[in-house]
Parts: sequence; structure tokens; C-alpha cells
Amino acid sequence: AQTVTQSQPEMSVQEAETVTLSCTYDTSENNYYLFWYKQPPSRQMILVIRQEAYKQQNATENRFSVNFQKAAKSFSLKISDSQLGDTAMYFCAFMKLGATDKLIFGTGTRLQVFP
Amino acid sequence: DVKVTQSSRYLVKRTGEKVFLECVQDMDHENMFWYRQDPGLGLRLIYFSYDVKMKEKGDIPEGYSVSREKKERFSLILESASTNQTSMYLCASSLLIGQGYGYTFGSGTRLTVV
Repeated sequence: AQTVTQSQPEMSVQEAETVTLSCTYDTSENNYYLFWYKQPPSRQMILVIRQEAYKQQNATENRFSVNFQKAAKSFSLKISDSQLGDTAMYFCAFMKLGATDKLIFGTGTRLQVFP
Repeated sequence: DVKVTQSSRYLVKRTGEKVFLECVQDMDHENMFWYRQDPGLGLRLIYFSYDVKMKEKGDIPEGYSVSREKKERFSLILESASTNQTSMYLCASSLLIGQGYGYTFGSGTRLTVV
């Protein structure tokens, strides 16, 4: 069975600085997707970034980028130029490519951005 | 934009009551999911459905059932609510199986069982 581990329950960063959230996963699969979701205080989960395992290039979405290390089974999220609106819970998630679209989530990292 | 709408944002029910949590999506997504979210545990899958009238158990189905009579609607049923079912419940949908699109989520229902 696949598992996703987020070892940082809470993190904080000052506005305009850079922060990296860690995620590791365990799987014997070769084809899969990895995701980072953001859940602000409004509770609406929002997809931040998505990575296909067969792509070596790290995904980037504006200020958000990932460091995908397939051999190490690591998928960290880097937020550059942090903004107050980045304050949220961040969840890392794994999806096996196959017959279902089940997402397996980590336990989340609460990020606080300070002015 | 796809919308996933959960009918209640907050719900308080008594122990032993039958509880219905409703979820509707408006963009013809094939797959729908129910998760519960608890602090320190992340999101755990309760049930999912990849077609009308089809359902599959997730990781924690005990004490729950689901219904999907129409493609756009996926209901979670607590047959006899218990205090350990106090939680945040999140509904989600995705377009097609095997495409890795990820989910669109509803805003969640915070259920308190007293």
C-alpha cells in the first residue's frame, strides 16, 4: 500500500521569503501522479501543483515549484516570495495511475506567513 | 469552473440519528469521492464512485454508506451517527479515471455528533 508522509506539522515564514515543505512517499509503482493541495481557512481545497512521475522536469506554477526526486521518493514544495494569502494547510497527495483515481493524502503542514 | 457543492457547511446531529450529507457537481465528472478530515490524520477516503449506481469502499467505510442515483449527486449516509464520526467531511469529483487530473473539492461539511 502507498503511504505519504509530511514530517513538518507546522511551519512559518516571513512575507517575501522562501519556504520549502517536505513530502516523502512510499510506493512500488512506476506510473503515478503527485499533487500539492492548499486548504486556506475558508476550507476550500485548491490544487496548487501536479507532477507526473514519468516526467523528469520539475513542475512549476508561478511562485510554486516542486523538487521531485523519484529515486528518493521525495516531492517537496517550494514557495517563493511568500504572501500572506499563502497561509493555509498544505497537503501532499499520491495517485496511482490505473483503474481508480484514489488520492492518498499526507497529514498536512500548516504554513503561517508573517508580515 | 467546476463546482462541487456540499449542502451544509455546519451540521449538528444527535447520537443514533441517520444523517445524510449531500454533494452535487455540475460538470459531468465521472468520479466522486467522500473523505473525512481529522487533525493529524489528513484526509482519509470513505467511499468513492466511478459511475452511477457504482460504489467502492475506501479505507474507512465502517459506519457509512453512499448513494449515487444520478451522475451529479453523491450522498454520504451515516446510518446511526456516533460521536466518533464528528469530523470534517469533504466531497470531491474528478473528470475521468486514469488521467491524473486531480480533484475538485467542495467546501466541506463540519459535522458534530452530540
